[in-house]
Amino acid sequence: NAGVTQTPKFQVLKTGQSMTLQCAQDMNHEYMSWYRQDPGMGLRLIHYSVGAGITDQGEVPNGYNVSRSTTEDFPLRLLSAAPSQTSVYFCASGRESGANVLTFGAGSRLTVL
Amino acid sequence: AQSVTQLGSHVSVSEGALVLLRCNYSSSVPPYLFWYVQYPNQGLQLLLKYTSAATLVKGINGFEAEFKKSETSFHLTKPSAHMSDAAEYFCAVSRAGSQGGKLIFGQGTELSVKP
Repeated sequence: NAGVTQTPKFQVLKTGQSMTLQCAQDMNHEYMSWYRQDPGMGLRLIHYSVGAGITDQGEVPNGYNVSRSTTEDFPLRLLSAAPSQTSVYFCASGRESGANVLTFGAGSRLTVL
Repeated sequence: AQSVTQLGSHVSVSEGALVLLRCNYSSSVPPYLFWYVQYPNQGLQLLLKYTSAATLVKGINGFEAEFKKSETSFHLTKPSAHMSDAAEYFCAVSRAGSQGGKLIFGQGTELSVKP
């Protein structure tokens, strides 16, 4: 089925470790983004991309890195994990438009010890 | 800067009762407004969106929302709650013409439905 695929679904890291959350979409969407969801805070935008080779920071970018080498993939890298990065991460994609409807992945739950 | 406020982090209704979830926004330019629903352990799904056409927007599963510019509100309603409506609901705003449709989300409202 077409959609947004995130891997892994669950991950436990130790403080200081690095890892990459993978995100892939097969809908040929220009726009892709990463959000983190924390209790009582809704979803906050980490980074986004409006096309291959173009990325920009969202509301909470510190500690995260992204790149967009293809239209389909938008990985999120944690450079040196911290307990404050314990969260549920969602990748989303959509057409490039202010009115675009985002399609969300199922989420990746990350715990940093 | 845009922002979204959802009044009430938790709302509980009886099955068959009216559902009212409140959302207020701030935006210096005409916004696009969205309601998303998140079922347990799933991603978000679109319920409905407002893009400056009709102010009363109908969505899936019997939900609707009314855009009121004078009140800067976009409250979500459903006449009769069903057990399957239990979920977390998020209101979101993006700026008309914004690049890539960046969404700003509210804090979320968890809806419980009692039998």
